[in-house]
Amino acid sequence: DGGITQSPKYLFRKEGQNVTLSCEQNLNHDAMYWYRQDPGQGLRLIYYSQIVNDFQKGDIAEGYSVSREKKESFPLTVTSAQKNPTAFYLCASSIQGAVGTEAFFGQGTRLTVV
Amino acid sequence: GNSVTQMEGPVTLSEEAFLTINCTYTATGYPSLFWYVQYPGEGLQLLLKATKADDKGSNKGFEATYRKETTSFHLEKGSVQVSDSAVYFCALSDLTSGSRLTFGEGTQLTVNP
Repeated sequence: DGGITQSPKYLFRKEGQNVTLSCEQNLNHDAMYWYRQDPGQGLRLIYYSQIVNDFQKGDIAEGYSVSREKKESFPLTVTSAQKNPTAFYLCASSIQGAVGTEAFFGQGTRLTVV
Repeated sequence: GNSVTQMEGPVTLSEEAFLTINCTYTATGYPSLFWYVQYPGEGLQLLLKATKADDKGSNKGFEATYRKETTSFHLEKGSVQVSDSAVYFCALSDLTSGSRLTFGEGTQLTVNP
């Protein structure tokens, strides 16, 4: 089945540690995105990538980093510089540039800093 | 820039009640409009969409009509079920944003038996 897979579903991190969230898609989509969701709030864009080996900052990129070495994969690293990393993280992908194209979402990773 | 405003929640209804969740938008271009649904602990799923003015998107009994004159895309359902309990997000994209979506804050819907 085609889809987008995030792992792990739950992740615990100690303060001061970096942690990497995985996102893989087999939909052959060029565009991929990372969003952060906090309780009672909408989705805020962290980073996005429209093509392999290229990515751009979203609205809240500080304290995060990404890479896009393969079309299928767009991992997100939450660094120790992110002051409040506890949140629900959602990865998405879509066809690049098509009007009205929808985004497909993974099941999310819930990150908790302990 | 683009923005989406949804009615404040949470919304609590009894089964078989009529549902309306308001959504208005601001966009620099001619946006496409979407409603996504998020069930507890899960990612978002597309519920319906409309890509031009006066289009009506529909799915699973939900409907929304793209109203350019009022810059709105209100979600409606004639008779809600307990299984409709979820968070609903209105979103838009346009050519200036590429495929990137701008989301509203989300509206929590709880349907009681």
